[in-house]
Amino acid sequence: QSALTQPPSASGSPGQSVTISCTGTSSDVGDHNYVSWYQQHPGKAPKLMIYEVSKRPSGVPDRFSGSKSGNTASLTVSGLQTEDEADYYCSSYAGSNNFVFGTGTKVTVL
Amino acid sequence: QVQLQESGPGLVKSSQTLSLTCTVSGASFDSGDYYWSWIRQPPGKGLEWIGCIYYSGSTYYNPSLKSRATISLDTSKSQFSLKVSSVTAADTAVYYCVRVQGYMRYYMDVWGKGTTVTVSS
Repeated sequence: QSALTQPPSASGSPGQSVTISCTGTSSDVGDHNYVSWYQQHPGKAPKLMIYEVSKRPSGVPDRFSGSKSGNTASLTVSGLQTEDEADYYCSSYAGSNNFVFGTGTKVTVL
Repeated sequence: QVQLQESGPGLVKSSQTLSLTCTVSGASFDSGDYYWSWIRQPPGKGLEWIGCIYYSGSTYYNPSLKSRATISLDTSKSQFSLKVSSVTAADTAVYYCVRVQGYMRYYMDVWGKGTTVTVSS
């Protein structure tokens, strides 16, 4: 299974929005509504931000939202804040109890 | 509150076997609601799913590891373990143990802090 494709970087000014794409195939993203997104600050473990394409765990700000169309999922961070500067990874269920991650996107708050 | 803690040698010689253990607190392995997984991250690179184990003992692996990985469960100690055989420098990474929400959910909600493993020649 190949890694899902994400842009290496994205950026925005405080208060603006940034959207990160996550492109897979008809065997993973396109076939399952089990896309999740993780935020990782340097030296820290990843943190779940979005699950099942668009659901937010308790405690995650509603500035974070997710969507999916076909083989591509997206994470949007609205009203960017300095603490949102981090690496973001998507993940998808790939069937048969297998999972695949995206290549990762570094978000910079200008 | 569920917590996961990785432990094991930080340095492994090339061609030998890497062995790590994850100790779980605040959760029961008897529940069929979860998978218990290992994920790694090479220095400066992205996340890679290694595999997972279900409470029944069933295991599932990333095909890219070509059968070098083995995950096992010790419910009496609330631990699950990872072994990777014939390691090379490419296996140098931070290794995370992770709880995965199971059937019809499929997301990783609790992560350990990670442990760094370096493969030396």
